[in-house]
Amino acid sequence: DQQVKQNSPSLSVQEGRISILNCDYTNSMFDYFLWYKKYPAEGPTFLISISSIKDKNEDGRFTVFLNKSAKHLSLHIVPSQPGDSAVYFCAASYTGFQKLVFGTGTRLLVSP
Amino acid sequence: GAVVSQHPSRVICKSGTSVKIECRSLDFQATTMFWYRQFPKQSLMLMATSNEGSKATYEQGVEKDKFLINHASLTLSTLTVTSAHPEDSSFYICSASPRSRASNQPQHFGDGTRLSIL
Repeated sequence: DQQVKQNSPSLSVQEGRISILNCDYTNSMFDYFLWYKKYPAEGPTFLISISSIKDKNEDGRFTVFLNKSAKHLSLHIVPSQPGDSAVYFCAASYTGFQKLVFGTGTRLLVSP
Repeated sequence: GAVVSQHPSRVICKSGTSVKIECRSLDFQATTMFWYRQFPKQSLMLMATSNEGSKATYEQGVEKDKFLINHASLTLSTLTVTSAHPEDSSFYICSASPRSRASNQPQHFGDGTRLSIL
């Protein structure tokens, strides 16, 4: 049972445009969500997180939106840069439990 | 920022060998560390939660006698793959988050260990 899903395995975007990565979850107990970026043969790097009491969190070029009623979150990258090309994982956890449940990942390719 | 170091980065060994992987939090204390495994083109799957000073908690389907975890200090957890076989070949990653009263702290990951069993 995949509790966190990223339905798009890949996304291609031109440099300077917006990248939108989507994530859906099924467990209503989740109250903390994170996005990680991963390069091959490296561990994931934390990008941005959001608590369920918020619907938006922004950090520089990265913004995460949370729609609890739809059990959906998205990561917006504006403007996209070639260095953003990587696999992006969304992850979720719930209060009192640090362990993360990861989505399947979306490979983002930003072309010059 | 918080740094997690994982060693070795790559291991190639014969079937039947036991392999130890170390995970260290370099600039913070971690009462809890996590071990994940990632198969090619798949997501990170949590294997076990490593608790300092106590037994690890394993996820369903993960053999605790196969994957031995020791968390002897607040900065070090080890994963030993015992009598490794080719099907154990995978990318193993550890993570940790700083001790804090805040309910949520992002986990920081090591760079992973690529284990190849011949």
